[in-house]
Amino acid sequence: GAGVSQSPSNKVTEKGKDVELRCDPISGHTALYWYRQSLGQGLEFLIYFQGNSAPDKSGLPSDRFSAERTGGSVSTLTIQRTQQEDSAVYLCASSPWTGNTGELFFGEGSRLTVL
Amino acid sequence: AQTVTQSQPEMSVQEAETVTLSCTYDTSESDYYLFWYKQPPSRQMILVIRQEAYKQQNATENRFSVNFQKAAKSFSLKISDSQLGDAAMYFCAYLEYGNKLVFGAGTILRVKS
Repeated sequence: GAGVSQSPSNKVTEKGKDVELRCDPISGHTALYWYRQSLGQGLEFLIYFQGNSAPDKSGLPSDRFSAERTGGSVSTLTIQRTQQEDSAVYLCASSPWTGNTGELFFGEGSRLTVL
Repeated sequence: AQTVTQSQPEMSVQEAETVTLSCTYDTSESDYYLFWYKQPPSRQMILVIRQEAYKQQNATENRFSVNFQKAAKSFSLKISDSQLGDAAMYFCAYLEYGNKLVFGAGTILRVKS
């Protein structure tokens, strides 16, 4: 597709369950970001992938959160043993390379609700 | 660590009027990028305007312009001739080469008809 694609658009789960959120970046983009946005709040950085470099995981809130990026393209954000405070919109963004224009292209997000 | 501060949680403007959104940031670097992103209710983040720190000239995109004060580490967004479609949440963001984009907390802009 032409833009960043995220799935699912909405996910409702029960506390304690694991969830996987998927991000399909724009083809050829080497940088990929995950952000979390709680209701009416700003964007909280989670993790950043740049090419083949080791990812910057400094924003992951706990060891229940992990992310991988396979083949330098699709990324999956996994949240284990979900808690109610994990409820938020998870936004993915990609960029050709951050040293160029610096513009990030965002997906529409995955809204996670933990009951 | 770099921080971005937006001190106005919410702003209102009358249609066709001008409004300015404030942003300050903290960095020890001399070369970086600054951005304003718009997030309408649809959730899709859209780039409004970009400023490169080494450029002294303020960036302009149609009705949107910035006032970039590098020494003061200030980066405000001016929206002229405000339209109903400008209503959204606006985020100021900072990017250092090869690093992550850091966002401010956002400002909700309401446009009154």
